[in-house]
Amino acid sequence: DTGVSQDPRHKITKRGQNVTFRCDPISEHNRLYWYRQTLGQGPEFLTYFQNEAQLEKSRLLSDRFSAERPKGSFSTLEIQRTEQGDSAMYLCASSLETANSPLHFGNGTRLTVT
Amino acid sequence: AQSVTQLDSQVPVFEEAPVELRCNYSSSVSVYLFWYVQYPNQGLQLLLKYLSGSTLVKGINGFEAEFNKSQTSFHLRKPSVHISDTAEYFCALQTGANNLFFGTGTRLTVIP
Repeated sequence: DTGVSQDPRHKITKRGQNVTFRCDPISEHNRLYWYRQTLGQGPEFLTYFQNEAQLEKSRLLSDRFSAERPKGSFSTLEIQRTEQGDSAMYLCASSLETANSPLHFGNGTRLTVT
Repeated sequence: AQSVTQLDSQVPVFEEAPVELRCNYSSSVSVYLFWYVQYPNQGLQLLLKYLSGSTLVKGINGFEAEFNKSQTSFHLRKPSVHISDTAEYFCALQTGANNLFFGTGTRLTVIP
């Protein structure tokens, strides 16, 4: 069990550019979640997948955001036309499918939009 | 709708003193409750969880929490803190779907 891995750890980009983050979940976990955490706040739910199916999306996930999990393993989160308000820590988590299985979090990708 | 309220944004405490971090929740359905810890520049690590059964839950690193349904609370306690406990602590709830709703966090600072 190597844990949830996220890449990159840090990303600095200029406003208007597109960015993509990657998450590799724990191998036997079929659920994968994306959260966003801004300074001084708790993580806010963005979306989650069960295998390759995206089952729920938060209203926070505007149409500039898209997440994929094409083969039910790793996932990508893309933000198009970044804005300064997108600056945050993006956290990925994974869990087993069984009810109330705890979420295991990665160390996050910190995005700074200048 | 669900919500989690952490009443204290910062809690300073001297080393070896006891600490309580408060958490209250609101939900119209049954909930499952969790405490996570976040060290600087790291992700969240599960401390403990309440799913059902005994209302006193023991977790890692000597922490425990008590579920109180009548007061809709799930306060986190430790009888004697260490410097290494300095971190951000998040209370979270989960309903039928597996996604978690988090509070805004409590920054615990242990003073030598």
